[in-house]
Amino acid sequence: AQSVAQPEDQVNVAEGNPLTVKCTYSVSGNPYLFWYVQYPNRGLQFLLKYITGDNLVKGSYGFEAEFNKSQTSFHLKKPSALVSDSALYFCAVRDSSNTGKLIFGQGTTLQVKP
Amino acid sequence: EPEVTQTPSHQVTQMGQEVILRCVPISNHLYFYWYRQILGQKVEFLVSFYNNEISEKSEIFDDQFSVERPDGSNFTLKIRSTKLEDSAMYFCASRAATYEQYFGPGTRLTVT
Repeated sequence: AQSVAQPEDQVNVAEGNPLTVKCTYSVSGNPYLFWYVQYPNRGLQFLLKYITGDNLVKGSYGFEAEFNKSQTSFHLKKPSALVSDSALYFCAVRDSSNTGKLIFGQGTTLQVKP
Repeated sequence: EPEVTQTPSHQVTQMGQEVILRCVPISNHLYFYWYRQILGQKVEFLVSFYNNEISEKSEIFDDQFSVERPDGSNFTLKIRSTKLEDSAMYFCASRAATYEQYFGPGTRLTVT
């Protein structure tokens, strides 16, 4: 069965420092991977995806993610964190069924301090 | 930029009552989904809908749940007889031919 793990409940980083939010996955076949961000009392906003191609994918708000097949990881990164990046981040994988449902990780709270 | 909308934003209901959660997906999208997020937990898939029928449903989506697309725009989730454990945030999502899903802002359902 497909699954996604986000090993950190919370990541703390100082503003201006690089940030990494970790994600590992388990799928059968080629993975279709996604990152979403959720601000308080809001829906999930799509940040970026990996389907195929370059292992480094760029997304919204300066975020990028690196796909590593050998480590089955898809870590979210940003070179310089902003206080406004503080939110809940979800990694997701597309299920191998034809319906394309998403399977989410537990979520990681990112706290960026001034 | 087109977006998914959901109404109401918050619904309070008594146990045993019926609720209908409404969604307007992005207009040219073909695939529709409902997910839920119990407070403090991860987002869980409930049901997918394509070509005017359910394409997949989870174990959570029992006989108390139903979905409809009554016209060309709305997509509804009905819970016939709510239980306390149905209290959650319910998200509607839609996608086009690409793989990413776009989520609405959610409906917070509180069952008392």
